[in-house]
Amino acid sequence: KAGVTQTPRYLIKTRGQQVTLSCSPISGHRSVSWYQQTPGQGLQFLFEYFSETQRNKGNFPGRFSGRQFSNSRSEMNVSTLELGDSALYLCASSLEVGVGTLFNYGYTFGSGTRLTVV
Amino acid sequence: SQQGEEDPQALSIQEGENATMNCSYKTSINNLQWYRQNSGRGLVHLILIRSNEREKHSGRLRVTLDTSKKSSSLLITASRAADTASYFCATVERGGADGLTFGKGTHLIIQP
Repeated sequence: KAGVTQTPRYLIKTRGQQVTLSCSPISGHRSVSWYQQTPGQGLQFLFEYFSETQRNKGNFPGRFSGRQFSNSRSEMNVSTLELGDSALYLCASSLEVGVGTLFNYGYTFGSGTRLTVV
Repeated sequence: SQQGEEDPQALSIQEGENATMNCSYKTSINNLQWYRQNSGRGLVHLILIRSNEREKHSGRLRVTLDTSKKSSSLLITASRAADTASYFCATVERGGADGLTFGKGTHLIIQP
């Protein structure tokens, strides 16, 4: 069974540019979440998608956005990049079916996209 | 925002010894999960314990949860060099509105 696939693995961008990261979840997983990891702030929740709808959003500015397609693949976009956006961006998928249900499943994470903004 | 706080921040032990990491959190939770991360790669899910459970085992891992103290512990028995990694606890709050809320992690080093 293929794991969660994130592309690209590494990315270098210039301040002010925009970037799109891609995530393919495990087949059958409809929940896809995104996290940012930095040495200073640790792991922070960006947003979660379920069946093409953004279900939850973390405390990030509107420059961070995402979407999910009908095949559950997800993309996240960061516009007007800042130096502080340099981070490891992790995507995770889960079998979890909905908010309020009994959580029985953990999340499977991809290897991440390391974004460097110069 | 960070909810969980792991203790200690770093731990170095000899191979074969047991390693214990603790995690504290602040709000009411649906469940608590432990993850391992090797050298800045993706996280690997280790174990999930629900709020109505007190203890759970998986292979060499033992997790306890005390909701009255808002704390959890992860015990790794008979440690191996391959267990060297960072370990994170993550909580899912009631209602699950904020995804996984992670602590800052414990960096575990197993000396051969």
